[in-house]
Order: sequence, then C-alpha cells, then structure tokens
Amino acid sequence: QVLLVQSGAEVRQPGASVKVSCKASGYTLTRYAIHWVRQAPGQGLEWMGWINADTNKAESSQTLQGRVTFTRDPSANTAHMELSSLRPEDTAVYYCARSLYCSGGSCYSDGMGYWGQGTLVTVSA
Amino acid sequence: DIQMTQSPSSLSASIGDRIAITCRPSQSISTYLNWYQQKPGQAPKLLIYATSRLQNGVPSRFSGSGSGTDFTLTISSVQPEDFAIYYCQQSYSTLLTFGGGTRVEIK
Repeated sequence: QVLLVQSGAEVRQPGASVKVSCKASGYTLTRYAIHWVRQAPGQGLEWMGWINADTNKAESSQTLQGRVTFTRDPSANTAHMELSSLRPEDTAVYYCARSLYCSGGSCYSDGMGYWGQGTLVTVSA
Repeated sequence: DIQMTQSPSSLSASIGDRIAITCRPSQSISTYLNWYQQKPGQAPKLLIYATSRLQNGVPSRFSGSGSGTDFTLTISSVQPEDFAIYYCQQSYSTLLTFGGGTRVEIK
C-alpha cells in the first residue's frame, strides 16, 4: 500500500525558509517521480515542480524558479521541498504527490496517483 | 507555460443528472490530460489520466474524452459523493499546469 506522510504545519516570518518532508512507504522512492503542488486558502491547485526518481534531476515552475529546491534522501525514502524568501502569498497547503507510473522526464500518459495529506505553511509577521 | 481553462467555474446539479466539465488548453496537448477530484479538507484524487483511462477504483459513471485543445469530463449520473471541485491538468509539457477548477454543487 503506497503512503505519503508529510511533516507537520509550519509558521514562518517573511524572508525565512521552510522545508517540508514527504516520507514514502509501500514502494521505493527512487522508482517514481515526486511532484509538489500547493493550494493557497480558497484557491486552486498550483504545480510547483518535480524531482526525477532515478536521475535526481529536478524541475520547477517558472514562477518559483530560484526560490524552490527539491531533494530526496533514498536512505530515508523521503523527499523534501524547501522554499526560501517566503512571502505572505506563499501561505498555502503544500502537497507531495507520486507519479502513477513514471520515474521522470517526459511522462505523458501519467498522473499524480498518490498524494500526501498536505502541510499547511503560514507566512506571517 | 500551457494555460488550462475550465468551464464552467461552477455548476449546480441534482442527484442523477448528467453533467459535463470542459477543459481547454492554450495549445494542443494530444491526449495528455488528467482529471482530479478534491473534496473539502482533503488532498486531490486522480480520477482519469491520459484523457480517458479510469484510475483504479473510480466508478464507471466518470468518463473522459477529447484531444488536442478540447477535453470533457462527464459524470453520467451524479451521486451525493460527487459534489466536489474538479481540476484538469496537462502532462504534455514537463512543466505541468492545472486548470482553475470547477465546483459541482447540489441544486
């Protein structure tokens, strides 16, 4: 049974950084790509980026490029997302999600088949 | 980035109604289109991938169709548990994007 369990809620001041963890169980992290998606309060879904399962290559959305870093720790079967230079508009629930079939790269016929429970990150002075 | 436009942004339906939600990408994406359902306080759930393939466990009243720049999610007979927000998402580009969502409410 595939499970993704995320770290707990965080509160940060503007300008700080936050790191969210996503621990996988029921499969090996290095087999499938991990996506990160966020959702501001009352808003829709925003894809942030992903990390390739086998090459460790990561790609982020253009709006977050330069502020977000995706890493993984195979020994802990855990993926991480770090967002820096936080702004109040970064307040959102952050989700990790696993590719249904794909390890990374051009994953055409593939969706985000398994999701973590979400981590609320609040950015406030 | 490929922009994804969903319509309508919301709709009201009665139990048993047939409803359709449209998704139009800003450029052709072949059939690389996924649909998700999200209920309040929950993570999204993958319903359909590659335009028309039902994810395991998804009821057959859900179906997807389309190609290029015009896609549709259809629920053949809406059930109480289907009231939620639905999102489309393209997987044609390595930079993925979601539609703005369609809220399905009880009439």
